[in-house]
Amino acid sequence: QLQLQESGPRLVKPSETLSLTCTVSGGSISDSSYYWGWIRQPPGKGLEWIESIYYSGSTYYNPSLKSRVTISIDTSKNQFSLKLSSVTAADTAVYYCARVVVAYDAFDIWGQGTMVTVSS
Amino acid sequence: DIQLTQSPSFLSSSIGDRVTITCRASQGISSYLAWYQQKPGKAPNLLIYAASTLQSGVPSRFSGSGSGTEFTLTISSLQPEDFATYYCQQLNSYPITFGQGTRLEIK
Repeated sequence: QLQLQESGPRLVKPSETLSLTCTVSGGSISDSSYYWGWIRQPPGKGLEWIESIYYSGSTYYNPSLKSRVTISIDTSKNQFSLKLSSVTAADTAVYYCARVVVAYDAFDIWGQGTMVTVSS
Repeated sequence: DIQLTQSPSFLSSSIGDRVTITCRASQGISSYLAWYQQKPGKAPNLLIYAASTLQSGVPSRFSGSGSGTEFTLTISSLQPEDFATYYCQQLNSYPITFGQGTRLEIK
């Protein structure tokens, strides 16, 4: 059974870079039937899509975050990663990684999420 | 960006009730819509994709319909485990967007 697990620092200082990694287990990140994405949810608020990446390296970004976001994929480690630069308190959120089914573009498997707080 | 507006934002219902949540898109999105259920402290769970296709393992009391700009999620007979927040998501074009959520609570 495929599982996703987010990892990375839970506390980031303002103006620094938030870095998270999603490790995929129980399946291959190179399976062309799927691609991968990051979604976040500020405390008490709704869901915001951040970005998506294919195993080939093709990427799609939310324009509202594009200038600060970098996503990468490491097929040898079965991982993909998110970097969000110049963070502020507004970036405090639960960050989820998820799998997307190419056939219908929905997020069918999610990680448990990791709460990242931006604070000095 | 395509905006999704869910109604109502909050719903109070009883066990056994039939419940309908609406999601309206700011422009046509064909059938590129998904519905998710989220319980407190948990990741969202995919219920419906392609507007009306039930995800494997999801109870048949959940159903989806619609196309273009108006979509509905229906729960035919509410069960205790259905009290949660529901989100729609459009998959028609980037950026992917979500509705603001509908919180379903026990009356």
